Formats: sequence, C-alpha cells, structure tokens
Amino acid sequence: QSVLTQPPSASGAPGQTVTISCSGGASNIGDNPVNWYQQLPGSAPKLLLYGGGQRPSGVPARFSGSQSATSASLAISGLQSDDEGDYYCAAWDDTLSGVLFGGGTKLTVL
Amino acid sequence: EVQLVESGGGVVQPGGSLRLSCAVSGFSASTLYMTWVRQAPGKGLEWVSLIERDMTLHYADSVKGRFIISRDSSRNTVYLQMNSLRAEDTAVYYCARGIPGYASGSRFDDWGQGTLVTVSA
Repeated sequence: QSVLTQPPSASGAPGQTVTISCSGGASNIGDNPVNWYQQLPGSAPKLLLYGGGQRPSGVPARFSGSQSATSASLAISGLQSDDEGDYYCAAWDDTLSGVLFGGGTKLTVL
Repeated sequence: EVQLVESGGGVVQPGGSLRLSCAVSGFSASTLYMTWVRQAPGKGLEWVSLIERDMTLHYADSVKGRFIISRDSSRNTVYLQMNSLRAEDTAVYYCARGIPGYASGSRFDDWGQGTLVTVSA
C-alpha cells in the first residue's frame, strides 16, 4: 500500500479541467519536492512535472501542479483524448531513505 | 541523444536469480543517480533501488537483502542483481536517470523501455 495517496480514477470531458491529488506526510511531501509522471497505455513512464509544478521542455502548459504542506496536486486543463493514461506522484521519503510513488490515478477522457 | 536500454529479463523459477542491465548513452551514468522501478502486471509503479553518484545504495524494504544495484562506469551500465526471486517480483523493470547536482531524489528525467521478469515454476 502506497504511503502517497491518490484517487484511483479521475475523468472529464474534452476541454474540461481535471485535478488529481496526492497526499503524503511530513517525511516525504512535507520535506521534499513532488514529481509527477504520466504513463500512457503501453508506454514507459514519462516525467510530467518536477519540483511541485515545473514543466520539463516539451510538456504543454495545460499541465500544472502545486505543492503545499503534505499535499500536492496536478491539474490538466483543456482535456484531450491523448491525455488518457495513468498519472503518478512521487517523492523522496527521508525516513525510508527511498522513493515513494503514489498508487496512480487512471484518467479517462469521456 | 539520451538512451537507456534494459536487458536481461526472462522467466525464472522461484528462488532463482537474474541480473538486469541498463546500458546508457548520451550521458555518463556515474555523474547522476540512477534507479530501478518496477510495475507488476496491471499494477502501479513501485520503486526498487537507487544508486547515488558516490555509490551510496538505497533499497525498498520489499527487496532489501535480495537485490543488489551496482554500476560499471567503464561500460556506462547499471545493473540489478536479483536473488531469491519470488512470484511477487514478477514485473516490468524500468531503469531511469536522475538529474545533475543532486545526490538522490524522485525526479527521473529519462526512462528505458523496460524488461519483463516473470517468476514462475
């Protein structure tokens, strides 16, 4: 069971905005930056956002993130069918001295 | 161009061993932290192990004492030696690279395509 908690599913119509939450604790999100990964069907994970809300080169501005206290969130605006896939948050945990991934959120574009 | 190519997956009996390789190009694996992440069929991502630039090693509790991560700078390759394999180790194993300037973390900028390990009698 993941220590970083995400909703198992999220959905929205094309063009809408969907938000995915990631809840952790003091030793992980509370003390380290959150990174988000996108995994499209049949593909390897891809870094989507880093440092809570920074976008790597090539990631559209439709993807945004925030981090506060022991929680983080990913927002996807202007939903497109190509956004369907799984989204994972991740953070370093000081107590475990390792990486934690959230359980993942499956995004469906209606 | 940055590339990470995993190999070494296959079918192994419970209790057996397997060594995965992650050959990298376009950067030096010894200058970044490197990690292994696995994904069981139909399941989410699970972090397995990480090697820092200074060779400090980190392991998930689920593999501690059974798996060993290592790096060969001359071959620009990272390895995962997996011993005492169990059915629950069945997964696609991905290697990924960290970022310069940090000893460790959860940011992995590039990933390989993965290699499938199946533990079954």
